[in-house]
Amino acid sequence: GENVEQHPSTLSVQEGDSAVIKCTYSDSASNYFPWYKQELGKGPQLIIDIRSNVGEKKDQRIAVTLNKTAKHFSLHITETQPEDSAVYFCAASLSGGSNYKLTFGKGTLLTVNP
Amino acid sequence: NAGVTQTPKFQVLKTGQSMTLQCAQDMNHEYMSWYRQDPGMGLRLIHYSVGAGITDQGEVPNGYNVSRSTTEDFPLRLLSAAPSQTSVYFCASRTDPGPSEQYFGPGTRLTVT
Repeated sequence: GENVEQHPSTLSVQEGDSAVIKCTYSDSASNYFPWYKQELGKGPQLIIDIRSNVGEKKDQRIAVTLNKTAKHFSLHITETQPEDSAVYFCAASLSGGSNYKLTFGKGTLLTVNP
Repeated sequence: NAGVTQTPKFQVLKTGQSMTLQCAQDMNHEYMSWYRQDPGMGLRLIHYSVGAGITDQGEVPNGYNVSRSTTEDFPLRLLSAAPSQTSVYFCASRTDPGPSEQYFGPGTRLTVT
C-alpha cells in the first residue's frame, strides 16, 4: 500500500517568515495530494490540494509543489501569521472509484511566534 | 447546514464495555469514513462506506463495526472496548468516491481504562 512520510514533525517560525513542510510518498500511481490543517480541538480542514498533472498550485499565502519523478510534494506558507499555528497533514491517494483512500502523513506541528 | 456532526465529544469506557459513536452529515454525501488519530500516527482509516448499505474495511478495522442504513448516518460500534482503542475518532464525508475534499467532524475523544 501507499506510505507517506512527512517532515519535520515540529516547526517553529517567527511571524512573517516562511514555513515549508515536505512529504514523500511510495506509490508512483498516486495522483491526488491534499493538505489539511487541524486546529486544536477541531477536525482537519482541507487548505489546498494538487493533482498529478500539475506541478504547482497557489492560493494566496499558501502554495503546494509536486515532483512526481522524485515522489515528493511540499507545502509552502509565506508571511506566516499566528493564526497559521496548527497541525498540518499531507496525504496521498490513488484514484479508482470506490477504492479511493487517503493515506496521511503523521503531521507537522507549526508554531508561529508573534 | 451543520456539515458533519459527531456525538459524544468525550467518552470514558471500561475495558470490555461496548458503545456506538454517532456520525451524521446533512450534505447528501455518498462517501463516509471513520478515522482514528493517535499521537505521532496521523490519521488511519478504520472503515468507509460508498453509499447506503455498502461498507468496507480500512487500514485498522479490528474491534470496530459499522453499518450504513441511510445516506446521513454512519455509526461506529466498539464491540468490546480495549485500552488500545483509546484515541480521537473522526468521521468524514465527501460528495463522490473520487479524489475530492473530505469534510471532517469535530471528533470524539475516547478513553478506555
